Amino acid sequence: GESVGLHLPTLSVQEGDNSIINCAYSNSASDYFIWYKQESGKGPQFIIDIRSNMDKRQGQRVTVLLNKTVKHLSLQIAATQPGDSAVYFCAEKRGSTLGRLYFGRGTQLTVWP
Amino acid sequence: DADVTQTPRNRITKTGKRIMLECSQTKGHDRMYWYRQDPGLGLQLIYYSFDVKDINKGEISDGYSVSRQAQAKFSLSLESAIPNQTALYFCATRGQGINETQYFGPGTRLLVL
Repeated sequence: GESVGLHLPTLSVQEGDNSIINCAYSNSASDYFIWYKQESGKGPQFIIDIRSNMDKRQGQRVTVLLNKTVKHLSLQIAATQPGDSAVYFCAEKRGSTLGRLYFGRGTQLTVWP
Repeated sequence: DADVTQTPRNRITKTGKRIMLECSQTKGHDRMYWYRQDPGLGLQLIYYSFDVKDINKGEISDGYSVSRQAQAKFSLSLESAIPNQTALYFCATRGQGINETQYFGPGTRLLVL
């Protein structure tokens, strides 16, 4: 069936390295995507979003890349810091669903000093 | 996160008890959502509301009900709690217009014994 999913459930990186978190989606009608960060004991926090008419969007230390050809979304975090340790979710809005978001399971990012 | 508040933050209850989870927001958003999060799974939509007189079922509404008392308040009820409703519950809000980001509260951790 259609789903929003993540390639890897866990990712461990050294402090200062770059992190790449991946997300696959299967609904070609999806027109909006969001990355959320969830720290332990907290609610999901918005990081960055991208619309389907874009391939790339940059924020502060984060970049989201969208490849519509292969239905793939990635979040790149530059110079990863211990405070970046969290679960990262991608979410998609499917074009005909009145703004409802569909969430992936999440990737646990652990940053080692 | 302070713009979206949830009470209680933690709750332990027994099977068969009625319980209400409250959500309040000061963002002035008209759209509000209730999600459930289980370990290893993405967020699943329980109910959502586009305004005070609008209530819609999500993917997993069975066993739950909601009330939109005002634009700023959206409560979730478990009429007769069961152990498999043990989960983390999140409220989220979204405004009108092109900004489709949902903003989440801090969550309520519910344990049903």
